[in-house]
Amino acid sequence: DAGITQSPRHKVTETGTPVTLRCHQTENHRYMYWYRQDPGHGLRLIHYSYGVKDTDKGEVSDGYSVSRSKTEDFLLTLESATSSQTSVYFCAISDNPTRLNYGYTFGSGTRLTVV
Amino acid sequence: GDSVTQMEGPVTLSEEAFLTINCTYTATGYPSLFWYVQYPGEGLQLLLKATKADDKGSNKGFEATYRKETTSFHLEKGSVQVSDSAVYFCALYASGNTPLVFGKGTRLSVIA
Repeated sequence: DAGITQSPRHKVTETGTPVTLRCHQTENHRYMYWYRQDPGHGLRLIHYSYGVKDTDKGEVSDGYSVSRSKTEDFLLTLESATSSQTSVYFCAISDNPTRLNYGYTFGSGTRLTVV
Repeated sequence: GDSVTQMEGPVTLSEEAFLTINCTYTATGYPSLFWYVQYPGEGLQLLLKATKADDKGSNKGFEATYRKETTSFHLEKGSVQVSDSAVYFCALYASGNTPLVFGKGTRLSVIA
C-alpha cells in the first residue's frame, strides 16, 4: 500500500456504544476522506478533511463525527452505533488536485458490524 | 450538481471477450475523469484517468477516452481475463476542495 493504514480491520460492537475508526497516512497528503460502502449504494462520502482541523460533511454525515488534529491521522467516530451503520468503511487520501499525479489512494477498509 | 452515471451490472463475460462499461457525467466546467477498480476484499485502486477533452487514459490493457461532446468516459478492454473480475467505478473531479464524485460501480465477472 501507498502509506495508508486503517484500524481496526474488523470490529463487532453493540448498539449504542461509541466507536472510533482510525486512518493513518505517511504520505503527508493534505486531503483525507471517509466513505462507507454498502450493497446497492456504491461509495458514499461521510466526511472529509482538506487540512488539519479543516473538515466538512459529506452526503451521509448524520451520526458520524471526525477529527483531524495532525496531518497523518483522520479519526471517524460513531457517537452511538446503530445497526444501520453496519458497513465497510474506507479511508482515502489525496494530494493537491492541481498535481499531475492527483487521484485518491484508498485504505484496505474496516468492516464494522453493529449488533 | 455534479454526477456520474454508470451502466448497471453485473456484467458477465467469457474470457477474451471485449469489454465496454459505459460512464456518462454531468458537470459544470471541465472535470477530470477517473476509473477505479476494486478487487474482492480490497480497497479501490486508480486504474486510469484523463484530465481534458480527447485525452485517452490507459493502463493494464484498459482504455477510456474523455469525450466532451457526449459527456462520456467509457471503459474498454479488448480481451478480458478472469483476473479482471472486479467492481469498476467511474469518478469525476470538478474543482477546488470538492471531493471526487463516484458512480455506483459496475461489477464485472469473467468466466473461463
